[in-house]
Amino acid sequence: EVQLVESGGGLVQPGGSLRLSCAASGFTFSDRYMDWVRQAPGKGLEWVGRIRRKVDSYTTEYAASVKGRFTISRDDATNSLYLEMNSLNTEDTAVYFCVRSATGWYNWFDTWGQGTLVIVSS
Amino acid sequence: DIQMTQSPSAMSASVGDRVTITCRASQGISDYLAWFQQRPGKAPKCLIDAANKLQSGVPSRFSGSGSGTEFTLTISSLQPEDFATYYCLQHKGYPPTFGQGTKVEIK
Repeated sequence: EVQLVESGGGLVQPGGSLRLSCAASGFTFSDRYMDWVRQAPGKGLEWVGRIRRKVDSYTTEYAASVKGRFTISRDDATNSLYLEMNSLNTEDTAVYFCVRSATGWYNWFDTWGQGTLVIVSS
Repeated sequence: DIQMTQSPSAMSASVGDRVTITCRASQGISDYLAWFQQRPGKAPKCLIDAANKLQSGVPSRFSGSGSGTEFTLTISSLQPEDFATYYCLQHKGYPPTFGQGTKVEIK
């Protein structure tokens, strides 16, 4: 069974940092692009960023709203995905979902984790 | 960025009703369009990809159509478990963008 399990969410002060993790299982993690998508309380879905595979040099893409503050990385040896978040502000408060994607033009976001809540507040 | 406009933003319907949700792209996206269902407190689930391809395990009462800038998600006979929020997603390029969502509530 394909599973994505996020962890690391919590309460952080504005300007602070937090690192989210995602443990993947049930599929060949190294073969897939991986994404982060977030959802502010009561709001819609917002794509955060993507990391490609080793064969793609682990290149990344980011939403303009997080570029320069957030960093996505992965460890294929442990089937783990990470989101390093710096300079957090209240607008970053959201549930963060770890999402599996295909490598082509279709089947983006085909499997989602249950999400982890990040609250940025003083 | 490509903007995705969904309509309606919310609707009330009864079990057995036919429901249609529309998504309009600000520029042509071919068929790089997916539909997601999100139940309260749960993660989104992909229903349809490539505008009209039903994902494995998704009931056949769900269907998608469209190409270019205009897309529809149709539920042919609404079931109790279908009351949820639905999102479209364009993935023609970066950044991928979602519609604002359509909440389907019980009438």
